[in-house]
Amino acid sequence: EAGVTQSPTHLIKTRGQQATLRCSPISGHTSVYWYQQALGLGLQFLLWYDEGEERNRGNFPPRFSGRQFPNYSSELNVNALELEDSALYLCASSQGLKYEKLFFGSGTQLSVL
Amino acid sequence: AQKVTQAQTEISVVEKEDVTLDCVYETRDTTYYLFWYKQPPSGELVFLIRRNSFDEQNEISGRYSWNFQKSTSSFNFTITASQVVDSAVYFCALPFLTGANSKLTFGKGITLSVRP
Repeated sequence: EAGVTQSPTHLIKTRGQQATLRCSPISGHTSVYWYQQALGLGLQFLLWYDEGEERNRGNFPPRFSGRQFPNYSSELNVNALELEDSALYLCASSQGLKYEKLFFGSGTQLSVL
Repeated sequence: AQKVTQAQTEISVVEKEDVTLDCVYETRDTTYYLFWYKQPPSGELVFLIRRNSFDEQNEISGRYSWNFQKSTSSFNFTITASQVVDSAVYFCALPFLTGANSKLTFGKGITLSVRP
């Protein structure tokens, strides 16, 4: 069975551009979570989608947004890119139950020049 | 508020040494779970263990063991006879409730390097 898949693996953008990152959850999982892992800052919660709706967002500006499609895959969009947006963006999925473990993808390494 | 503290940032050991990774947490929940994840160089976080607040028994799985102590709010992880393949970043995590569900708060991670 396929795990969580993320694309692209690497993405290079310049300041002010927009980036789109994609995530396909494990089959049967309805919840998708996005985390940012910037150097020295650990894993910061970004967004949580479940059944097509945004359920919660972390302390990030509105230029970080996303959506979840009917097939439960998800997209993270980052507008007006800034240098400090350079980070590994990790997607995770679950069945949406309380306290269950998350399954993570290998991430998209975003570099903003 | 939910908080996870991993005071150690980097640990370096020689193969076959035992190593303990510390995790201290804060929560207002009376029922909660704690997790450990491992992040090898490939980047993907791998689930290691989940424990609930009602079960304070220590757990052993092969070379891995976990010591959960509610009295000190700690959930420490020990690797016995470490191997080079154990080199990774290790995260302790605590879910917090948001409505009918929960999401994970992670510590900052401990980078473990095991030298041959």
